[in-house]
Amino acid sequence: EPEVTQTPSHQVTQMGQEVILRCVPISNHLYFYWYRQILGQKVEFLVSFYNNEISEKSEIFDDQFSVERPDGSNFTLKIRSTKLEDSAMYFCASSERQFQPQHFGDGTRLSIL
Amino acid sequence: AQKVTQAQTEISVVEKEDVTLDCVYETRDTTYYLFWYKQPPSGELVFLIRRNSFDEQNEISGRYSWNFQKSTSSFNFTITASQVVDSAVYFCALSLNNAGNMLTFGGGTRLMVKP
Repeated sequence: EPEVTQTPSHQVTQMGQEVILRCVPISNHLYFYWYRQILGQKVEFLVSFYNNEISEKSEIFDDQFSVERPDGSNFTLKIRSTKLEDSAMYFCASSERQFQPQHFGDGTRLSIL
Repeated sequence: AQKVTQAQTEISVVEKEDVTLDCVYETRDTTYYLFWYKQPPSGELVFLIRRNSFDEQNEISGRYSWNFQKSTSSFNFTITASQVVDSAVYFCALSLNNAGNMLTFGGGTRLMVKP
């Protein structure tokens, strides 16, 4: 069964450094998302992306965050200047069409030191 | 604004017991979608079910069943004859027709099934 893949599985970064989290959505899916889950808390929406542009973003998704689909397969989340509170599990998801189930990757655990 | 509440933070049962996980949602929209996801100890999020607001039929899939009641804004999930492999955190989520595909998650219910 096709799946969403995320790399790396764990990223350790110094505070203030830039980090790029990578995702390969399911190939025939058109909608892409990023969510985060701080340890022990609920999953929070960050951003949705369709047709090469952001379609929705949350208050969490401020100027330090950006997303990109640099080629036909990858979908990336960049955090420009990481803060301690950015430490979380980051999930990428994709869906075939709007309001169809979102299928999640296994997540990238980001640890900011 | 939309909100999802899962009042049960943790439930512990013995294998073969039935268990119901509660989910209550808030929205003023008339068109919306409800979801359940499972997060096993390995951490991934696994899609279980999607329901739209116009379909109040209950659904059964093997040992899993879902009860959607618009009158009480609830979308409860029952596991019949629970098994140890059902141990996980279960999240209920809501998306609105006019808010793109953004999923609003509840806080999750940690289910522990003991042998």
